[in-house]
Amino acid sequence: AQKITQTQPGMFVQEKEAVTLDCTYDTSDQSYGLFWYKQPSSGEMIFLIYQGSYDEQNATEGRYSLNFQKARKSANLVISASQLGDSAMYFCAMRGAGSGSARQLTFGSGTQLTVLP
Amino acid sequence: NAGVMQNPRHLVRRRGQEARLRCSPMKGHSHVYWYRQLPEEGLKFMVYLQKENIIDESGMPKERFSAEFPKEGPSILRIQQVVRGDSAAYFCASSPKSQGTYHDYEQYFGPGTRLTVT
Repeated sequence: AQKITQTQPGMFVQEKEAVTLDCTYDTSDQSYGLFWYKQPSSGEMIFLIYQGSYDEQNATEGRYSLNFQKARKSANLVISASQLGDSAMYFCAMRGAGSGSARQLTFGSGTQLTVLP
Repeated sequence: NAGVMQNPRHLVRRRGQEARLRCSPMKGHSHVYWYRQLPEEGLKFMVYLQKENIIDESGMPKERFSAEFPKEGPSILRIQQVVRGDSAAYFCASSPKSQGTYHDYEQYFGPGTRLTVT
């Protein structure tokens, strides 16, 4: 079974500063994928970034980067130069490789990020 | 290219009524997933379908819930005899047929249906 743990229910960051949202995971799979999604107050789920377990480099997408530490089983999201529009709930998720039941995503409980002006 | 579409966006049902939630995947996507998000919680997997086939329903409650993805038309999540505990946001996601690339991993989410049971 896969498990995602997000230990920060809420985080505050000053506008233009960087912030790190923590995510640890547990799986017995050798191959897996890690995702971060953003859920603003409007409710939709917005894909931010993906990291494969065999990717040697940390994933980056614009202001988002994923600090992947495989030995520690952590996949923290770093948001640089925070903007007011970054205020939202952030979910870490993972899925196994292969087909069938491995395709489902397992989500953490989320971190509510508030960017202060 | 239209994204994943869900309707209705908001649904109010009285206890004991039936709720039908619809999901049209992105064009070219043949895999559909349903997730439920209870208030103040993360999303929980319910069911994974391909056309005319339920692949994994390990997250579906044993009673009152059913899902289908017919050859033609949208995927339907059906909840019979709704109770207050069914009040939640229900998200549908779709993904393309496996191509062996990392893009295969990405699931595209719809805007969700917010079900309120009164």
